[in-house]
Amino acid sequence: TQLLEQSPQFLSIQEGENLTVYCNSSSVFSSLQWYRQEPGEGPVLLVTVVTGGEVKKLKRLTFQFGDARKDSSLHITAAQPGDTGLYLCAGDGSGNTGKLIFGQGTTLQVKP
Amino acid sequence: SAVISQKPSRDICQRGTSLTIQCQVDSQVTMMFWYRQQPGQSLTLIATANQGSEATYESGFVIDKFPISRPNLTFSTLTVSNMSPEDSSIYLCSVVPSGTAYEQYFGPGTRLTVT
Repeated sequence: TQLLEQSPQFLSIQEGENLTVYCNSSSVFSSLQWYRQEPGEGPVLLVTVVTGGEVKKLKRLTFQFGDARKDSSLHITAAQPGDTGLYLCAGDGSGNTGKLIFGQGTTLQVKP
Repeated sequence: SAVISQKPSRDICQRGTSLTIQCQVDSQVTMMFWYRQQPGQSLTLIATANQGSEATYESGFVIDKFPISRPNLTFSTLTVSNMSPEDSSIYLCSVVPSGTAYEQYFGPGTRLTVT
């Protein structure tokens, strides 16, 4: 059974601080996606990484896919209160069938 | 991307009854899926909704409990049958738009409470 271990599960920081969320597995994924979910809404796709070693930037967010495609990280620089939410990593480990395996999620609170 | 709507957005149901959730997409999509998100938890895949054929269920989910239809490339329904309080969750449909290989987009979800 493929698993994605996401850490930390909870993070409460002050505005302006940096943070990193990790997503790790012993399995290889054909792609890995990061989502952000706010209460009462569905997850919103932030980025998809496909190539081992790939780095993608989205404003203050930097996403990295591990060389072996087993792990990924999300780094936020100078966090803002608007970054508050649930961050989810999800991997497609079944040969690009679209069947996503989700990590446990990281609840981020950024205090002004 | 794709614009996805779900109906109803929320419902409160009595145990033993059934609820059908609809998922409508604004464009034809390659793949459609149904997920469950239990309170305070992450998402778990229920099944792949196959157009014109029976859905493919993940371990722990069965057709009698969660019948799924997908009559065309833009619409699917999930029924939660013979509900119990343990079925209280958010149910989400997701799609992979045609022409994309990896990007998956989610609907707003249906929040179900079973009393």
